[in-house]
Amino acid sequence: DTAVSQTPKYLVTQMGNDKSIKCEQNLGHDTMYWYKQDSKKFLKIMFSYNNKELIINETVPNRFSPKSPDKAHLNLHINSLELGDSAVYFCASSQGSGTRTDTQYFGPGTRLTVL
Amino acid sequence: GQNIDQPTEMTATEGAIVQINCTYQTSGFNGLFWYQQHAGEAPTFLSYNVLDGLEEKGRFSSFLSRSKGYSYLLLKELQMKDSASYLCAVFDRGSTLGRLYFGRGTQLTVWP
Repeated sequence: DTAVSQTPKYLVTQMGNDKSIKCEQNLGHDTMYWYKQDSKKFLKIMFSYNNKELIINETVPNRFSPKSPDKAHLNLHINSLELGDSAVYFCASSQGSGTRTDTQYFGPGTRLTVL
Repeated sequence: GQNIDQPTEMTATEGAIVQINCTYQTSGFNGLFWYQQHAGEAPTFLSYNVLDGLEEKGRFSSFLSRSKGYSYLLLKELQMKDSASYLCAVFDRGSTLGRLYFGRGTQLTVWP
């Protein structure tokens, strides 16, 4: 009965590889997010989708491409991984469309290590 | 730009009371959240303030003063399990869709 789930939990890969992280929420929420938490624990939004539509796209390299096949899923694909991509990536979801203040619920995170 | 400040670290002993402060300067304001994050885990929702004043929820309370750009999280009767990072976050609805801006978190260590 996990609310927001992510796979994999850990991802270790070589520079230059391409990898994907998957996220699913069973809360019936309309909006999903990807956040990056760096080594200093700073949590910063990357993308936001509302009903499969990209709403927020922060200043993120083009190597990062989110995809939302349906409103319960938001995946993150990363091309040509770099050392600086090493971080914990969190998926989150909220009920509304983002025009009102809704609580965001976070997944368990994916710890990405690029060697 | 968005600026959210909170102390990096705090320590306290079991049974004590601790107050974690957060000041913010953001272009817009539509509410302030506090999240708790244990090491290696997801942030979990603790509290939400949009109006000035104190919101109490069990051992945890959160206060907001919008005119001062200031909030605090008050934790009473501290327990060892309260050792975690506490994240202050401001929701700014902006011109299109809102987003949460997080502070860097306050690492609280509770000693026996």
